[in-house]
Amino acid sequence: GESVGLHLPTLSVQEGDNSIINCAYSNSASDYFIWYKQESGKGPQFIIDIRSNMDKRQGQRVTVLLNKTVKHLSLQIAATQPGDSAVYFCAENFPGGFKTIFGAGTRLFVKA
Amino acid sequence: EAQVTQNPRYLITVTGKKLTVTCSQNMNHEYMSWYRQDPGLGLRQIYYSMNVEVTDKGDVPEGYKVSRKEKRNFPLILESPSPNQTSLYFCASSLSSPLGGGNQPQHFGDGTRLSIL
Repeated sequence: GESVGLHLPTLSVQEGDNSIINCAYSNSASDYFIWYKQESGKGPQFIIDIRSNMDKRQGQRVTVLLNKTVKHLSLQIAATQPGDSAVYFCAENFPGGFKTIFGAGTRLFVKA
Repeated sequence: EAQVTQNPRYLITVTGKKLTVTCSQNMNHEYMSWYRQDPGLGLRQIYYSMNVEVTDKGDVPEGYKVSRKEKRNFPLILESPSPNQTSLYFCASSLSSPLGGGNQPQHFGDGTRLSIL
């Protein structure tokens, strides 16, 4: 498959444990945030999003937390499974335009 | 099946030889965008389009052109490719612009690996 990042931060977790992936975003005025999952050889795939008027949003097995004070975003994955192994990207949308800025990504490795 | 389709998936070519990477979506999305992905840098936005005949530069537009003559298609053109444009390219689309209509996540194609020798 395609190599999406040879020097990414890596998080290694045991199957069944919870995972937390962190992201610092750049623009305090950004108003929409998204987490994407990228598997080898594939394009990024939407996981969950959150708007700036919220600080927490839950999906199926995933939770996103937004801390606007310190411009920090996190993705929590409950009961991590081998199929969760991938590279995870956070993204922010700038207001007043149509630009999207992606973080550098974190590689999640799940040990069976 | 709803999808974003890029062609070609892989291309090896030489410096200066014009090339076009096509992108087509079948979801009637207004917004489309091109990104390049390089190791350790995440995805960087090249160009985006809010609708037909409306395009604008992203963060790394130098050396690229785009056009949006039809809603479904958003080709990326490299008029005179150079080795520093060797990269993995992704096209994406969303139902509305990321800022309009409630902010929608983008749908991505599976990528085009370009190698410029």
